[in-house]
Amino acid sequence: IAGITQAPTSQILAAGRRMTLRCTQDMRHNAMYWYRQDLGLGLRLIHYSNTAGTTGKGEVPDGYSVSRANTDDFPLTLASAVPSQTSVYFCASSEVAEYEQYFGPGTRLTVT
Amino acid sequence: KQEVTQIPAALSVPEGENLVLNCSFTDSAIYNLQWFRQDPGKGLTSLLLIQSSQREQTSGRLNASLDKSSGRSTLYIAASQPGDSATYLCAVMTDNYGQNFVFGPGTRLSVLP
Repeated sequence: IAGITQAPTSQILAAGRRMTLRCTQDMRHNAMYWYRQDLGLGLRLIHYSNTAGTTGKGEVPDGYSVSRANTDDFPLTLASAVPSQTSVYFCASSEVAEYEQYFGPGTRLTVT
Repeated sequence: KQEVTQIPAALSVPEGENLVLNCSFTDSAIYNLQWFRQDPGKGLTSLLLIQSSQREQTSGRLNASLDKSSGRSTLYIAASQPGDSATYLCAVMTDNYGQNFVFGPGTRLSVLP
């Protein structure tokens, strides 16, 4: 069982470019999440989805968008990347929103 | 706004010691609290989840307790091993729709052989 996979593992991106971070889970979990982790700021929720077809905003949603067309996939899109979006991005899932969260290995993104 | 703190920020102990990591939160209206470990450059691994109605959870050498009224949780690690070296994070969920899951800054643990 793979759990949660994220792609790419790392990426260097020029400012202004569009980028989609991919997240796929094989646990048939209903809820999925995107976090960013920054030194000194910890982990912060960007967007979440409680079930396929629905999404919601977390603590730091500006500059990011998500979609949840099916249960397994939850891509995160940066429409026009800025240097402040340099971070490590983690995707997570849980069976339902109040249950245990499982994390993917992360994507290290550098915006230059 | 919910705030989560963890003390100490870093801890170094000799192998075999029992230790306690602390997590505090400002709003006691939580649905659950979860403890994770994170190895350098890796994702988070779930250790224990305590629902708001529970007082503690145990898994192997780990025991987590929850005192909602005082806004505190502790993670007890028995007979520490060098493989326990990692950063330990706690996180609280303050609603059951998943949009308010707040993490603490973590405690960096080093277990010396």
